[in-house]
Amino acid sequence: GAGVSQSPSNKVTEKGKDVELRCDPISGHTALYWYRQRLGQGLEFLIYFQGNSAPDKSGLPSDRFSAERTGESVSTLTIQRTQQEDSAVYLCASSLVIISGVSPLHFGNGTRLTVT
Amino acid sequence: KQEVTQIPAALSVPEGENLVLNCSFTDSAIYNLQWFRQDPGKGLTSLLLIQSSQREQTSGRLNASLDKSSGRSTLYIAASQPGDSATYLCASLGGGGKLIFGQGTELSVKP
Repeated sequence: GAGVSQSPSNKVTEKGKDVELRCDPISGHTALYWYRQRLGQGLEFLIYFQGNSAPDKSGLPSDRFSAERTGESVSTLTIQRTQQEDSAVYLCASSLVIISGVSPLHFGNGTRLTVT
Repeated sequence: KQEVTQIPAALSVPEGENLVLNCSFTDSAIYNLQWFRQDPGKGLTSLLLIQSSQREQTSGRLNASLDKSSGRSTLYIAASQPGDSATYLCASLGGGGKLIFGQGTELSVKP
């Protein structure tokens, strides 16, 4: 079946512009995660959704970042007034459930964001 | 706050060697421990998931162990091959649903 799909795969934007990144999880997966990976660094947790709710938004780097999920399906990560330090690969992952601990995460290929 | 550490940061071995990658975590209250593989420019591929009640999981040449009391997990790769070259990441799933990653071990297997 189809895996986690992210779009666009690459995005180049000018400093100060807003960008919207999209994630289509695997159908039926209730949990959805967003991570950021800067060049040469590890994965930085941003936010996760259980259904359409985000219990923990503490990983979002600033108030310029927001995320939403609708229909327990597609999620969008929006970055307003982009800065050069926002340049990174943004990875989305989904899993069937969270709390049982039995479901592995499935990752998309990421969106590479470059802010010039 | 959960912290996940991986040692070594990089490892280079000749083909055919058995090797061990290490992962440690500070908070033992976890639901599971997962190992992933990341190839350059690609997303992450799930390799093994060990639930908190389990001690180990095996898949082919890979074996992952979990010792919650000491906050450690290891990934054992038998008879390494050049195709195993990648970055290996471990991640712990804790309360609140946060999956926290280590910085990864970059593995290079030389033919």
